[in-house]
Amino acid sequence: DARVTQTPRHKVTEMGQEVTMRCQPILGHNTVFWYRQTMMQGLELLAYFRNRAPLDDSGMPKDRFSAEMPDATLATLKIQPSEPRDSAVYFCASGFPQRGSVDNEQFFGPGTRLTVL
Amino acid sequence: AQKITQTQPGMFVQEKEAVTLDCTYDTSDPSYGLFWYKQPSSGEMIFLIYQGSYDQQNATEGRYSLNFQKARKSANLVISASQLGDSAMYFCAMREGGNNRLAFGKGNQVVVIP
Repeated sequence: DARVTQTPRHKVTEMGQEVTMRCQPILGHNTVFWYRQTMMQGLELLAYFRNRAPLDDSGMPKDRFSAEMPDATLATLKIQPSEPRDSAVYFCASGFPQRGSVDNEQFFGPGTRLTVL
Repeated sequence: AQKITQTQPGMFVQEKEAVTLDCTYDTSDPSYGLFWYKQPSSGEMIFLIYQGSYDQQNATEGRYSLNFQKARKSANLVISASQLGDSAMYFCAMREGGNNRLAFGKGNQVVVIP
């Protein structure tokens, strides 16, 4: 049963610390998405990659957030330095959209619940 | 501008009854896809059903069906024969043609009571 995995599932840290979240997409999926979910803003797309190349990171605060895909099996989202307003659930999702098609679903991981004190 | 609008307050539904969750969307792209996801209290996002803008028939997946009214730009989710396990947040989302981004609504909370 192929699933997207995310680590850690929960993270509590202090303001100013670096946070790294990891995601393993489903094998064979070529597109990876990072979302952030908060009560106020709902689900927001932070960034996404296709074939490991960043395609859109316009939703991400550039000064403190960075997203990378060192290889096809690992995506990372890093916050440095973290702030209390970064407290949220961060979801990774993967998919294999066909060019010109809108019907490919995204498979979500279980999320990383981040609390910044 | 809000792409996806879900404005219903939290809903209580009697077990075995049907429930309809409203979703309206805004796009000028003729090619788009509409998705519904379920998020139970455990937090994971579960894909439920998909409707394409060119699909002639309403999508159905088991107890889930999508009431797609293109002219009204609405894509309501119908859950038939509600079960206790249907208690969750439900999110409507849209992908516009040529764009991999999914725009999500704020969600509808459903609580199924025995």
